[in-house]
Amino acid sequence: DTGVSQNPRHKITKRGQNVTFRCDPISEHNRLYWYRQTLGQGPEFLTYFQNEAQLEKSRLLSDRFSAERPKGSFSTLEIQRTEQGDSAMYLCASSSTETQYFGPGTRLLVL
Amino acid sequence: KQEVTQIPAALSVPEGENLVLNCSFTDSAIYNLQWFRQDPGKGLTSLLLIQSSQREQTSGRLNASLDKSSGRSTLYIAASQPGDSATYLCAVRPRSQGNLIFGKGTKLSVKP
Repeated sequence: DTGVSQNPRHKITKRGQNVTFRCDPISEHNRLYWYRQTLGQGPEFLTYFQNEAQLEKSRLLSDRFSAERPKGSFSTLEIQRTEQGDSAMYLCASSSTETQYFGPGTRLLVL
Repeated sequence: KQEVTQIPAALSVPEGENLVLNCSFTDSAIYNLQWFRQDPGKGLTSLLLIQSSQREQTSGRLNASLDKSSGRSTLYIAASQPGDSATYLCAVRPRSQGNLIFGKGTKLSVKP
């Protein structure tokens, strides 16, 4: 296992469209996190799963955002009715101890 | 509300210099503090993790210290190399939460 993987790596969409991103964590990592990063800023927390349970959700996660982690393995993050302000890098991380291991991210551009 | 600040925002040094990156946080009720490296357009690589009960951690040319009571951490890089050029991010895990809160990072450029 080579690490956390995310797909797609890049996504360009038109405003109002729905998009879905996938994260495959490191095998047997029971914790999975989603963060969003805009240019010149540090990552901002969105949501956190322990196994299949979504334990924490940031206020940044509006009702247009939904995340799932069926069966406690991979996770998906869906954004409905995208807005230009959703343009950012979406990062996934996983952990089994305290250290979080990050994937390469999905860069979203909303036109 | 926990806030993390990193100073300076950018730093340029000649190869071979020792340097220090600074991180401060407003709430000392943390579980741990992590330093990450991020290359342009890429994800984050964990460098060092310091538990709240620890004072420092070392890995190769990197040394991170933690003074929880004053809300400060430093990342010391010895004998800097051009390959160290990247953005360095500091993040704290609050005691009551599972997620990390990040600073904006320090962009380091090491010139040959």
